[in-house]
Amino acid sequence: SQTIHQWPATLVQPVGSPLSLECTVEGTSNPNLYWYRQAAGRGLQLLFYSVGIGQISSEVPQNLSASRPQDRQFILSSKKLLLSDSGFYLCAWGAGIGGEKLFFGSGTQLSVL
Amino acid sequence: DAKTTQPNSMESNEEEPVHLPCNHSTISGTDYIHWYRQLPSQGPEYVIHGLTSNVNNRMASLAIAEDRKSSTLILHRATLRDAAVYYCILRDSGATNKLIFGTGTLLAVQP
Repeated sequence: SQTIHQWPATLVQPVGSPLSLECTVEGTSNPNLYWYRQAAGRGLQLLFYSVGIGQISSEVPQNLSASRPQDRQFILSSKKLLLSDSGFYLCAWGAGIGGEKLFFGSGTQLSVL
Repeated sequence: DAKTTQPNSMESNEEEPVHLPCNHSTISGTDYIHWYRQLPSQGPEYVIHGLTSNVNNRMASLAIAEDRKSSTLILHRATLRDAAVYYCILRDSGATNKLIFGTGTLLAVQP
């Protein structure tokens, strides 16, 4: 069966520090991968998605970047965090063309102080 | 991406049916109607989806209007564990299959 791993669960970082969040998927190949962010009390905002290795599409201009170095690995990064980067970050995967569902990880709660 | 409109919040009593409405008047012929729910401090969870016909699964039922401009998620017997934010989303069947979430409906279930 397929599983999605996301870590860390919580993270507290100072303003201006770098960020690296990692997401891996097991039990499937060539998944579509997604990064979402949810600010406190708000809905989910799609940040990035990827349909293959090295292929990244950005939905919202921002202080963050994403990379997909391997088929089942998706990384969210920042060189210098801003206060506004605080939020609940969620990774998700879907089965690509014809895929019907997205499966979400357990999320990372990021607090930038 | 076509948009959906949902009430901000709804209340239900435990063990009673719940009907969560969603309007999507700009839906296109290739858009699937998806429902996800999000419990506090968790990632969203798939509930159900459909295209034209009504759908049933172990979690819920989805009733789709004949003109597809609205739909209703039906929880047949609400439990306290059904308290969550419910999102109605239109999903294109294209290659990216990305989901664009709205603000959803916060469902409160009273004992």
